[in-house]
Amino acid sequence: QVQLIQSGPEVKTPGSSMRLSCKASGDTFDNSAFNWVRQAPGQGLEWMGRFITVIGMTNYAWTFLGRIRITADRSTNTAYLELNNLTPDDTAVYFCAKETSLPLGWLDPWGPGTAVSVST
Amino acid sequence: VLTQSPGTLSLSVGERATLSCRVSQNLRNAAVAWYRQRPGQPPRLLIYDASSRATGTPDRVSGSGSGTDFTLTINRLEPEDSAVYFCQQYGGPMYTFGQGTKLEI
Repeated sequence: QVQLIQSGPEVKTPGSSMRLSCKASGDTFDNSAFNWVRQAPGQGLEWMGRFITVIGMTNYAWTFLGRIRITADRSTNTAYLELNNLTPDDTAVYFCAKETSLPLGWLDPWGPGTAVSVST
Repeated sequence: VLTQSPGTLSLSVGERATLSCRVSQNLRNAAVAWYRQRPGQPPRLLIYDASSRATGTPDRVSGSGSGTDFTLTINRLEPEDSAVYFCQQYGGPMYTFGQGTKLEI
């Protein structure tokens, strides 16, 4: 059974950067993609991007281009989300989710989420 | 763009819920998934490829549709069906979600 273990909550100031992690256990790291989805307080789900492990390729949502980077480390079965130039609008819970039905597919399972707060 | 309706649905135990997801562009390969999210929890996959049940999804939950119109149907509602339901499209490399339907039992 695949489990996704995410890093702990973070408090950031405007203009700073964040790096969140998502460690996969119980399954092969290859032949999958790791997606990042965020949810602002009381809002819906917003897809941010994904890293396809077998080819090392990324796809990003247009709204984050220029300040997002998703990477993965095969040796530790861990995916990372980096987001730069944070603003209070980036306050949200950030979920990682695995995708095994490549090249395009559904997200399952999801990690528990990491709460990020951006304020002065 | 995915548009879900209604925004909120209030029903009673034993009734049927019908949730709609309209896609702005034709999805030729029925690339739609449905998720349930309870308060304080991550989303959980219910349906993929518009009509295939994920592992653990009961058979009273079903998905249908093609092209631009997709539906999630939940029969014989139970109190634990109270949640927000999201649809997602994966017809291209940029995924998007609907805004969600809140189901109150």
